[in-house]
Amino acid sequence: RKEVEQDPGPFNVPEGATVAFNCTYSNSASQSFFWYRQDCRKEPKLLMSVYSSGNEDGRFTAQLNRASQYISLLIRDSKLSDSATYLCVVNIRLSGSARQLTFGSGTQLTVLP
Amino acid sequence: NAGVTQTPKFQVLKTGQSMTLQCAQDMNHEYMSWYRQDPGMGLRLIHYSVGAGITDQGEVPNGYNVSRSTTEDFPLRLLSAAPSQTSVYFCASSLKDPFATSGAFFGQGTRLTVV
Repeated sequence: RKEVEQDPGPFNVPEGATVAFNCTYSNSASQSFFWYRQDCRKEPKLLMSVYSSGNEDGRFTAQLNRASQYISLLIRDSKLSDSATYLCVVNIRLSGSARQLTFGSGTQLTVLP
Repeated sequence: NAGVTQTPKFQVLKTGQSMTLQCAQDMNHEYMSWYRQDPGMGLRLIHYSVGAGITDQGEVPNGYNVSRSTTEDFPLRLLSAAPSQTSVYFCASSLKDPFATSGAFFGQGTRLTVV
């Protein structure tokens, strides 16, 4: 079983739609959680951190449920420029102070005009 | 702002050749990592470093070596290239307590093909 699992999609939605992505993680010792965005043939870029209380950044809302080991990302009023692959990322503590970012395989989103 | 710089951007190697992928960051970050990205598998950690002189293995270290003689540089060496090492390689850096909130910054990637 993968440590971080995402629905690969693709999600094809019309402009203006609301779309939600889900992610589950298997390591209960995970400490930090993120959503990254990756455009085609580009590097991943941090979209937002995910906090237990939930957090919002403009049209984007992230939620974390530690009990269920579940993370979500909601995008409201989708724009064409939101088309990308969204990566769910979990931070796991290794030995000492070392940590490891563990990535899901990503969910592909295409916003259609 | 340069951030994380990787070179080269593209490379074709023959099986058995060796090469070094360069990574440099100018943000004074303690943590640096190398990942490879393959279709359908997400990014997988190859090696990482928590500071100059300190390196450790990640999930898929076989066939790769690293060293960290300075805070800025973290080169990845392929000892004897194999077709299975065809992939996109990303270098990342982050603050010493990197993943609490700030996440990691990635270089633009190196697309490596081994024939």
